[in-house]
Amino acid sequence: KAGVTQTPRYLIKTRGQQVTLSCSPISGHRSVSWYQQTPGQGLQFLFEYFSETQRNKGNFPGRFSGRQFSNSRSEMNVSTLELGDSALYLCASSRTGTGLVDGYTFGSGTRLTVV
Amino acid sequence: EDQVTQSPEALRLQEGESSSLNCSYTVSGLRGLFWYRQDPGKGPEFLFTLYSAGEEKEKERLKATLTKKESFLHITAPKPEDSATYLCAAYMYSGGGADGLTFGKGTHLIIQP
Repeated sequence: KAGVTQTPRYLIKTRGQQVTLSCSPISGHRSVSWYQQTPGQGLQFLFEYFSETQRNKGNFPGRFSGRQFSNSRSEMNVSTLELGDSALYLCASSRTGTGLVDGYTFGSGTRLTVV
Repeated sequence: EDQVTQSPEALRLQEGESSSLNCSYTVSGLRGLFWYRQDPGKGPEFLFTLYSAGEEKEKERLKATLTKKESFLHITAPKPEDSATYLCAAYMYSGGGADGLTFGKGTHLIIQP
């Protein structure tokens, strides 16, 4: 079966611009979470969506936002990009909504470089 | 503050040389402890979830165990293809809803032939 699909795989943006990343979860999975991975901080939780509702949000500024559509696909948006936003952005999906039963399945990520 | 700490940061072993990776956690409301494997350029790959102290799970050469403060990932007779970064993550649940996964920074494991 198809895994979690993230597009695009690579992005280069300029400071001050905004960017939208896309995530298509595994068919039947209703929960989508987003994480930022950097060499210094590791993987950090951004937010989680379940049935189009944001259930929780990590400790990131309001420039980071997201949404989930009725087909469970999700997008995250970063406005007014800063150099420190350069990172691998990972999306993970879960069938049950908590990941405790089936775990979270991650996509391969979008590598964002801000110049 | 909820924390997950992994040690060592890096580990180099000879093929067949068994060892253990450590994950210590100080979190409240722990609902599960996850182990993932991450290869360069890829997202983390799910290995195990442990739910309560004393629990053990195995998969091929890997065995994960959980105590009230730590989790260990034991690698028995590793092969070069086991080389990867191993991540542990705590799943917490507060009254307000799921808090997502809190990850450690990982152990970079290299198995030399």
